[in-house]
Amino acid sequence: NAGVTQTPKFRILKIGQSMTLQCTQDMNHNYMYWYRQDPGMGLKLIYYSVGAGITDKGEVPNGYNVSRSTTEDFPLRLELAAPSQTSVYFCASSRDGEQYFGPGTRLTVT
Amino acid sequence: RKEVEQDPGPFNVPEGATVAFNCTYSNSASQSFFWYRQDCRKEPKLLMSVYSSGNEDGRFTAQLNRASQYISLLIRDSKLSDSATYLCVVTSGGGADGLTFGKGTHLIIQP
Repeated sequence: NAGVTQTPKFRILKIGQSMTLQCTQDMNHNYMYWYRQDPGMGLKLIYYSVGAGITDKGEVPNGYNVSRSTTEDFPLRLELAAPSQTSVYFCASSRDGEQYFGPGTRLTVT
Repeated sequence: RKEVEQDPGPFNVPEGATVAFNCTYSNSASQSFFWYRQDCRKEPKLLMSVYSSGNEDGRFTAQLNRASQYISLLIRDSKLSDSATYLCVVTSGGGADGLTFGKGTHLIIQP
């Protein structure tokens, strides 16, 4: 099993650009999550999904969108990137409360 | 408001020593508890679940105190490789809105 994979690993965006962060898991987990982690800070939940076709907002959803068309994939869309979205983005999937994280995407918006 | 609090540290500990830190939670309805380890610039990884009866995995022991609403992590015979940030996670069930991460405790093991 590859577990949770994320692409890209790094990205630099200009203000106002858009992009999609990809996340795929091969563990057949129903629950998937997107977090952001700012330097020296804890994880903040952006969006989550309890299964294909179902998504819900987390603590900090503004400026982001998600979709969940399959069990495996949970892409995160940034529209009109802003410097405040500079962060490390982690995708995770879970079963029985235990979360498995991808390696993260480091995003810089300048 | 559901909160999970951790002492951010850093805890500077000599190699071979025993170190312990706690995580307090405010929601008495919390159901599941976990410790994660996060290395610098890496993703969090599950270290261990915390059961009501406590559990041990090698040099690591986790305990739950429901009456005082905290969980603890004890590391014995600490190794240089134990240097990391330790995150506690508390869930109250009902989907991801019941899941809360602490900000982590930074542990530095010194030779």
